[in-house]
Amino acid sequence: QVQLVESGGGVIQPGGSLRLSCAASGFTFSSYGMHWVRQAPGEGLEWVAFIRYNEKNKYYADSVKGRFTISRDNSKNMLYLQMNSLRAEDTAVYYCATDSQVTETLDYWGQGTLVTVSS
Amino acid sequence: QSALTQPRSMSGSPGQSVTISCTGSSGDVGGYNYVSWYQHHPGKAPKLMIYDVTKRPSGVPDRFSGSKSDNTASLTISGLQAEDEADYYCCSSAGRFTYVFGSGTKVTVL
Repeated sequence: QVQLVESGGGVIQPGGSLRLSCAASGFTFSSYGMHWVRQAPGEGLEWVAFIRYNEKNKYYADSVKGRFTISRDNSKNMLYLQMNSLRAEDTAVYYCATDSQVTETLDYWGQGTLVTVSS
Repeated sequence: QSALTQPRSMSGSPGQSVTISCTGSSGDVGGYNYVSWYQHHPGKAPKLMIYDVTKRPSGVPDRFSGSKSDNTASLTISGLQAEDEADYYCCSSAGRFTYVFGSGTKVTVL
């Protein structure tokens, strides 16, 4: 079965950097586009970034454009989110999710990793 | 993009129905038939319940149904059960590989 496990979260000071990872298994990772979605404390979900299966296209939410970079390593079944110039408002649980191959939706999700930006 | 608007909370007794609304704009909900709904128990992975406005993934009970009219989508849970108590989020395509989510609705089973 599809399994997505995020890691790399923690406490980081404003202005700092952090790299999140998402380990994928149970499906052909190299054939799927992947997303990052986040949820700030007490808030709703917010789509963050998307990468196509072959890394040729990447898309970002305006709130993270220029600061976050999504990438992947298909040889290792891994998805990454490099987060730079972190702000307090980036504090959230970060989820990775698969992009459906049959329609426009995010179909499988991990359980998330918490990032806290605080001095 | 602005978050889609959902009621903050809704409740119902076992066996009753609840309908959650999700209001967007012509740039998201109204412009695409790609509305999804997710069930989220805190601390767990969100689960896809409805996609393409009305379709259910395999394994999702038919008590869950979706619809859309203009810029507003809806999720109806019929025959409410205790395990349906969770947060529910709508999601709409907002153009090529980008998405906007709703603010979330906490459903309480009384």
